[in-house]
Amino acid sequence: QVQLQESGPGLVRPSETLSLTCTVSGGSISPFYWNWIRQPPGKGLEWIGFTSYSGHTFYNPSLKSRVTISVDTNNNQFSLNLKSVTAADTAVYYCSRWTEDCQGFEFWGQGILVTVSS
Amino acid sequence: EIVLTQSPGTLSLSPGERATLSCRASQSVGSKYLTWYQQKPGQAPRLLMYSASSRATGIPDRFSGSGSGTDFTLTISRLEPEDFAVYYCQHYHNSPLIFGGGTKVEIK
Repeated sequence: QVQLQESGPGLVRPSETLSLTCTVSGGSISPFYWNWIRQPPGKGLEWIGFTSYSGHTFYNPSLKSRVTISVDTNNNQFSLNLKSVTAADTAVYYCSRWTEDCQGFEFWGQGILVTVSS
Repeated sequence: EIVLTQSPGTLSLSPGERATLSCRASQSVGSKYLTWYQQKPGQAPRLLMYSASSRATGIPDRFSGSGSGTDFTLTISRLEPEDFAVYYCQHYHNSPLIFGGGTKVEIK
C-alpha cells in the first residue's frame, strides 16, 4: 500500500520560505503526478501544484510566483517551497498522488500543520 | 477559472436517510472530469468517486454519483454512522484544479 508522509517545520516566520518534504513508501515515484494541496484551518481545499516523476511541474496560477515543487526520485521524495509567506499561508499541507487510472487524488499524506507567525 | 458551488452548505439527516449533495460548475467541466472526496475531522480527504460516477476502490455501493456539464450530484442511499463528514467535489477539466467549498453532512 502506498503511503505518503509530510515532514518539515510547523512554524515559519512571515516573509520566510516554507519548505516541506513528502516521502513516498510502498510504491515508486514513477510514473505518477505528485501534488501539494493545502487547507487553512476550518476552510476548504486548495490545490497548490504538482511535479511529475520526471520533474515536469505545474502550479496554481494564484501561487505560481511563490511556489517551487521538485522531485527526488533517488529517495522517493518530492518537496514544496513557498516563499514570502504570510499569515494567509497558515494551513494544513497535504501531499497527494494523482492517479490517472482513477482520475483523482488517490493517496494522501496525513497532513502537516504549518503556522506562519513571528 | 472554473468555480464549483456546493449545496447545501450543511445537510442535517438521520442514519438510514438518503443524502443528496449538489455540485454546480460555473462552466462545463465535460461529462467526466469531476471527482468527489470525503473528509472526516482530523483526517486527509479520501477519494470517493471519479469521472463523476465511478466509485473508487473500496467505496461501498450506497455511494453513487451522476451528472455532466455543469451539474453533478453525489447520493448516499442510506446514511451509515461513518458517513457523517464533509464532502468536496473537484474538477480536473483544466487548470487550476479547483475544489468546491464542501457540504457537511451532520447527524440530525
